[in-house]
Amino acid sequence: GAGVSQSPSNKVTEKGKDVELRCDPISGHTALYWYRQSLGQGLEFLIYFQGNSAPDKSGLPSDRFSAERTGGSVSTLTIQRTQQEDSAVYLCASSKNREPTYEQYFGPGTRLTVT
Amino acid sequence: AQSVAQPEDQVNVAEGNPLTVKCTYSVSGNPYLFWYVQYPNRGLQFLLKYITGDNLVKGSYGFEAEFNKSQTSFHLKKPSALVSDSALYFCAVRPRNYGQNFVFGPGTRLSVLP
Repeated sequence: GAGVSQSPSNKVTEKGKDVELRCDPISGHTALYWYRQSLGQGLEFLIYFQGNSAPDKSGLPSDRFSAERTGGSVSTLTIQRTQQEDSAVYLCASSKNREPTYEQYFGPGTRLTVT
Repeated sequence: AQSVAQPEDQVNVAEGNPLTVKCTYSVSGNPYLFWYVQYPNRGLQFLLKYITGDNLVKGSYGFEAEFNKSQTSFHLKKPSALVSDSALYFCAVRPRNYGQNFVFGPGTRLSVLP
């Protein structure tokens, strides 16, 4: 079946511009996660949506970052007034979040370059 | 605070030799445990998980991992490494309570030398 998809795959933007990154999770997955990964490094947690519960925003690095999930499906991560340090690969993952299938399935990522 | 440690940034092993990538965690209760692999220029792929039952779990590509409750460890192993196993490996844990978030380790880069 279809996996997690993300768009765009690559985004180059000028410093100060706003960007929107999209994630389409696997159908039926109630949990959705956003992470950031700098050049071959570890995963930095950003935000976590679980069903209709209030999202866990504890990982968002600044108020320039926001995310929403509409209708319990598609999610958009928005970065306002981008900075060069925002350059990274942004990964989205989804999971069923119920026993025994808690594992996350990751999308291919969006590579963001801020010039 | 909940945390996952992967004490080795880099593991080098010769092709055909056994490999071990270590993971220890500090998470309350008995969490669910996972391994993910990231091949160069690819997304993260799920390898295996421990939910309950046998402490030795088997996953994709011939990998296995052993859960050790007393040592709070979940080391990844493979009896005979392949050059194609060279990748970045992440250990992750998730507390059992509903709605809890994942905690990922910092990753270990495995290089299998021909």
